[in-house]
Amino acid sequence: AQKITQTQPGMFVQEKEAVTLDCTYDTSDPSYGLFWYKQPSSGEMIFLIYQGSYDQQNATEGRYSLNFQKARKSANLVISASQLGDSAMYFCAMREGRKNRDDKIIFGKGTRLHILP
Amino acid sequence: KAGVTQTPRYLIKTRGQQVTLSCSPISGHRSVSWYQQTPGQGLQFLFEYFSETQRNKGNFPGRFSGRQFSNSRSEMNVSTLELGDSALYLCASSPEGGRGDYNSPLHFGNGTRLTVT
Repeated sequence: AQKITQTQPGMFVQEKEAVTLDCTYDTSDPSYGLFWYKQPSSGEMIFLIYQGSYDQQNATEGRYSLNFQKARKSANLVISASQLGDSAMYFCAMREGRKNRDDKIIFGKGTRLHILP
Repeated sequence: KAGVTQTPRYLIKTRGQQVTLSCSPISGHRSVSWYQQTPGQGLQFLFEYFSETQRNKGNFPGRFSGRQFSNSRSEMNVSTLELGDSALYLCASSPEGGRGDYNSPLHFGNGTRLTVT
């Protein structure tokens, strides 16, 4: 069964520093997608970045990059030059590519990131 | 392009009542998923609709039901409300082309915060 693990319930980081949020996953499907979402205190879930299981290069979107280590089943989010507005809950998610079975997106428990001024 | 719209934003109901939540997906998106978010359980998948058919269902009692209309708008209904149903209910739409399309991210609405007293 598919599973997502985020081992850091909370993190405190100084403004302008880089931060890495950990995510490990488990799946037996060779085809899958990995996603990161940001949830500010207002509640909306904001899609940040996507990595496909067959992608050769790590995904990047502005200050966000995904450190994808397929053999270790790891998909860590890296935020460069953190800003106060980055303070939020961050969720790692995965979707398998099983055409004939359950392929819903599942989420980890999340990491609450606090950026300190 | 307008985002995912959920109404109402806040709801207060009493035990035993029923409630209907509404979700309008991004134009052109045919897949709509519903999630329940609570501090203790995190994000839990309720169900997914694609072209008016329920395609996936999470582990929730039959009191939770949903439907999707021909214009892809979706409604979620909870009957006989319990205190434990208090949560943020998130709707998300996806531009995917069908089952197994694992690289389609979910685009979330702002959620409906339901309080059951």
